[in-house]
This record gives sequence, structure tokens and C-alpha cells, in this order.
Amino acid sequence: RKEVEQDPGPFNVPEGATVAFNCTYSNSASQSFFWYRQDCRKEPKLLMSVYSSGNEDGRFTAQLNRASQYISLLIRDSKLSDSATYLCVVALVYGGSQGNLIFGKGTKLSVKP
Amino acid sequence: ETGVTQTPRHLVMGMTNKKSLKCEQHLGHNAMYWYKQSAKKPLELMFVYSLEERVENNSVPSRFSPECPNSSHLFLHLHTLQPEDSALYLCASSQDARQGKISGANVLTFGAGSRLTVL
Repeated sequence: RKEVEQDPGPFNVPEGATVAFNCTYSNSASQSFFWYRQDCRKEPKLLMSVYSSGNEDGRFTAQLNRASQYISLLIRDSKLSDSATYLCVVALVYGGSQGNLIFGKGTKLSVKP
Repeated sequence: ETGVTQTPRHLVMGMTNKKSLKCEQHLGHNAMYWYKQSAKKPLELMFVYSLEERVENNSVPSRFSPECPNSSHLFLHLHTLQPEDSALYLCASSQDARQGKISGANVLTFGAGSRLTVL
């Protein structure tokens, strides 16, 4: 079983749509969770951390389900500028050197006019 | 300059060449990393330096040789590479939370990457 698994997509949605991505992780000892965004031919950038209670940042909502070992990202009212690849990232321990960060392959989102 | 800067942005080299990738961070972080990103694969961690000490070497072939002269600079020396080494090489930095500062722990700031093509 892959350590961090994501649906590669692509997800093709119209502007204004709501889209959800899921990510599953295999190690139940995982402690920290993140979504990164990577635009085409650019570097990954942190989109948001994922907290146990769930958290929201504008149009973006992240949820964590430890029992089922999955993380979700919901994007409401999607914009053309949301088109990117969304990377799910899981850390085995909190803090420390980042050798314990595990990246998923990413889910590609394409928002059409 | 701010953030994490990488040079060169693009590099084409033959299998017998020797070249180096350079990374510099202006964020005051104390940990730096090299990642490899190939098409349709997740980011692969190559090396981790914390306080200029290599703390992780993820079974990377010896044709890749990292160097971290100080906490702001990181190099990746390349020699006798293979065509399958063609990829995007990303440098990143973070604040190592073991040093007592937990703000931003586990959060990486990446450079724009060096796209390497080996002929």
C-alpha cells in the first residue's frame, strides 16, 4: 500500500463549482498534515495545514479523519486561478527534520470558464 | 532577495560532465533539503541538512554529492549522471523544530527548482 495516495485526476470543473479531493495515508502514527499547491512548472507552495478539528481559509476547507486515515480538501466557488496540482503531505512526527514528510503524487485540477 | 533561490534554473549536461546546483535561503531557517521531482512520481527526498549537518541521505547514488557550507547555502554536485536522472531538482528550507522553535514546524519553503536534462 502506498504511503500517501491521491486520485491523480485530472478534475475538470467549471468556474464556480465546488470540488473535493481526498487523500489517504497508510501510517497511523502520522502527526501532521498539509495541502500544498503546485502550479504548472513551478515549485510547491503551502496552501494550508490540516488540523484535527478541521479548518477553513476562505474558499478552502480542510478536514482530517484519523480513524479512517484520510484528509480532504474542499474548494468552493472555484476560480480559474485555482487550476493547479494539489499535493497531500503527511508528517510522521511533529517538527524535527523534514525527512519524515511524505508527499502524495498530487491531484490535478483544471477550472474551465 | 527573499525566500529560496536556486541556480541555474535550467541545465543540460552530458553523462561525463560535472556540474553543481546552488541553493540559497534568506529566511533564517536552519534546515535545508534537496528533493527530486520526476513526472508522475511523488517528490522524492534526497538529502536533509539540519544546522549544516547531514541528517538524512535517502539512498541516493553517489553520483549526487551534497554540500552545505552554512545554514543559508546548499549545493548539489553532479557527476557522471544518467539520462534517468533528468528531473526537476527542488531545494527547500524550514525551521527545524528540534531547536525549540515550533512556529512553522514541518512547513517547507521551496525554491523554483533546477530543471536538469542529462543527454
